[in-house]
Amino acid sequence: VQLVQSGAEVKKPGDSVKISCRASGNNLNVYTIGWVRQAGGQGPEWMARFHPQSETPRYAADFEDRVSMTRDKASGTSFLEVNRLTVADSGVYYCVGGPPIGWHEYWGQGTLVSVSS
Amino acid sequence: DIVLTQSPDSLAVSLGERATLNCKSGRTVLSSANYKNHLAWYQQKPGQPPKLLIFWASTRASGVPERFSGSGSATDFTLTISSLQPEDVATYYCQQYYSTPTFGPGTKLQIK
Repeated sequence: VQLVQSGAEVKKPGDSVKISCRASGNNLNVYTIGWVRQAGGQGPEWMARFHPQSETPRYAADFEDRVSMTRDKASGTSFLEVNRLTVADSGVYYCVGGPPIGWHEYWGQGTLVSVSS
Repeated sequence: DIVLTQSPDSLAVSLGERATLNCKSGRTVLSSANYKNHLAWYQQKPGQPPKLLIFWASTRASGVPERFSGSGSATDFTLTISSLQPEDVATYYCQQYYSTPTFGPGTKLQIK
């Protein structure tokens, strides 16, 4: 499985950002696709995921009021939109894939999001 | 959310020596449904995404060298590198998937 993400983004506080992840490879219909972000020098932080058999995503409590994950099954592309950005949202956002049980076997190359006034 | 703590924050080990990294969970991640520990370990090198090393606390992912091993149960876990190689310099993270996934803060491993 390969995960290819969209390019870096520069935003201002209060803006929204939408990043994409295109999955390719075998057996994609059995894998969960999700998003993990990592601020500089910190551990990763899980944000959201789509279970392969679910039509609704699941969100981490810290993000559920301003994050939206969507997908286009036909193209194998997933999207993450983060609203009301603050400087604290700056970091690298990774698309991740793996079995529904919860570890992340596959990682995209990362999308750098910079939020600055 | 389940909080994971890792120790030490950083570690320097001589080439060929053993490295021992610890991960402690605030709650058990041992499932009574499948009797498995829902814990994974990742290796991250600068400028790269994390790479899966271990899942179910002790199962090596495909292609991971045998010098990497995971152990522990319930709340206390260890990642051991039996003979440190230059390419093992990285930051290591544990992650639980017993509930909403969370990661530890990481241990930075360097060569002494």
